[in-house]
Amino acid sequence: DQQVKQNSPSLSVQEGRISILNCDYTNSMFDYFLWYKKYPAEGPTFLISISSIKDKNEDGRFTVFLNKSAKHLSLHIVPSQPGDSAVYFCAASARYGGSQGNLIFGKGTKLSVKP
Amino acid sequence: DADVTQTPRNRITKTGKRIMLECSQTKGHDRMYWYRQDPGLGLRLIYYSFDVKDINKGEISDGYSVSRQAQAKFSLSLESAIPNQTALYFCATSDPKDYHNEQFFGPGTRLTVL
Repeated sequence: DQQVKQNSPSLSVQEGRISILNCDYTNSMFDYFLWYKKYPAEGPTFLISISSIKDKNEDGRFTVFLNKSAKHLSLHIVPSQPGDSAVYFCAASARYGGSQGNLIFGKGTKLSVKP
Repeated sequence: DADVTQTPRNRITKTGKRIMLECSQTKGHDRMYWYRQDPGLGLRLIYYSFDVKDINKGEISDGYSVSRQAQAKFSLSLESAIPNQTALYFCATSDPKDYHNEQFFGPGTRLTVL
C-alpha cells in the first residue's frame, strides 16, 4: 500500500505561471517531508523540505505547504521557468515507528514548463 | 568532483549473468542506500547500511545482495540477472547527524538485462 502518493504523473504549465505539484500521505507518523527534483540522466537532488510542526516553508520561487489534517502537501513554483522542467518526487520520513527515518518516495510528477 | 559516484553508468547484460554495481562517496556519511527507479513506480529502496557492519533489507531486496566494503563504498550485486531487473539504479548517502535524513544521490546506473 502506497504511503506517499503523487496522483498526477504529469503537469504542463506555461512559462511565468504557477506550477502546483501535489502529494498525499497516509502514515500519520511521518514528521518530515522533502521534495526532490530529477533531470534526465542525473540523480535526484534535494529541493526543499518542511517539518510537520510547520505549515509553510519558502525558498525563493519554491514554497511547500503542509496540511496535516488532510495529510496533504503541495509544492508551488512561482514563476515557473523552462529550466524547472523535470520529474519531482515527494518523500516523507518518520523518526519513530520502525522505519529508521528512511525516506518513502512517491512515484513522481513530470513537470513540463513551456516557453 | 562529484560527492557520490556510481560505476558503471550504463550496462547491458544477459539473463543469468552476475552483475555488480559500485558506489563511492566522499561526503564522509555513514549511511548509504541503494534504490531502483522504474517508469511510473518512483524510487524503491533495495538495501541500506547505517555503517560498515550494518546491512538492512529494503522494500524490494529479493534477487539482490550488497556489500559495504568501507565507509565510502557500497556495492550492489545481482547474482543472476533477470529481465525485470532492467531499471535505473541509484546510490544515496546521508549523515546520521542530519535529523531529517536528507539523502544525496549519485548519477545513477542504467542497467538493461536481455
